[in-house]
Amino acid sequence: EVQLVESGGGLVQPGRSLRLSCAASGFTFDDYAMHWVRQAPGKGLEWVSGISWNSGSIGYADSVKGRFTISRDNAKNSLYLQMNSLRAEDTALYYCAKGGLTFGGVMSYWGQGTLVTVSS
Amino acid sequence: DIQMTQSPSSLSASVGDRVTITCQASQDISNYLNWYQQKPGKAPKLLIYDASNLETGVPSRFSGSGSGTDFTFTISSLQPEDIATYYCQQYDNLHYTFGQGTKLEIK
Repeated sequence: EVQLVESGGGLVQPGRSLRLSCAASGFTFDDYAMHWVRQAPGKGLEWVSGISWNSGSIGYADSVKGRFTISRDNAKNSLYLQMNSLRAEDTALYYCAKGGLTFGGVMSYWGQGTLVTVSS
Repeated sequence: DIQMTQSPSSLSASVGDRVTITCQASQDISNYLNWYQQKPGKAPKLLIYDASNLETGVPSRFSGSGSGTDFTFTISSLQPEDIATYYCQQYDNLHYTFGQGTKLEIK
């Protein structure tokens, strides 16, 4: 059974940093692209960032480019999102999602999310 | 970047009704269009991939069609458990975009 468990969320002041983690199990992690998708309270889904199986292809939404960094550790079956210079508008539930065999595949499984609140 | 225009933003229908949601891309995306269902308080779930392919285990009352810039998502006979928000999603050049979502309610 595919499982994705996000962690690392919390309350952080504007301008500070936070690192999210996603622990994956139930599939061959290093075969698949992975993504972060967020959802602000009461709002729709926003793709944040994605990374291919070997980290060779990485993409970011314009809203986070230059502030967020996605990475993965295939030996640990883990995905990460380093978030710097956080803003109030980054407040959201952050989901980890399993992608396809290539970067452009579907998001076939999702975790339950970790909540990030940016506030002073 | 490619923009996705999804409509309507909300929809009220009766059990048994045929429900249709549309999604329009700002440029040709071939068939790189997926549909997700999100129930309140839950993570999204993949329903349709590559415009018209039903994900394994998804009921056959759900279907998708279209290519290029215009896409349609249909529920052939609305069931009470279909109450959710539905999103289209496209992929292009290391970038994904979701539609604004359609909140479906029972009349």
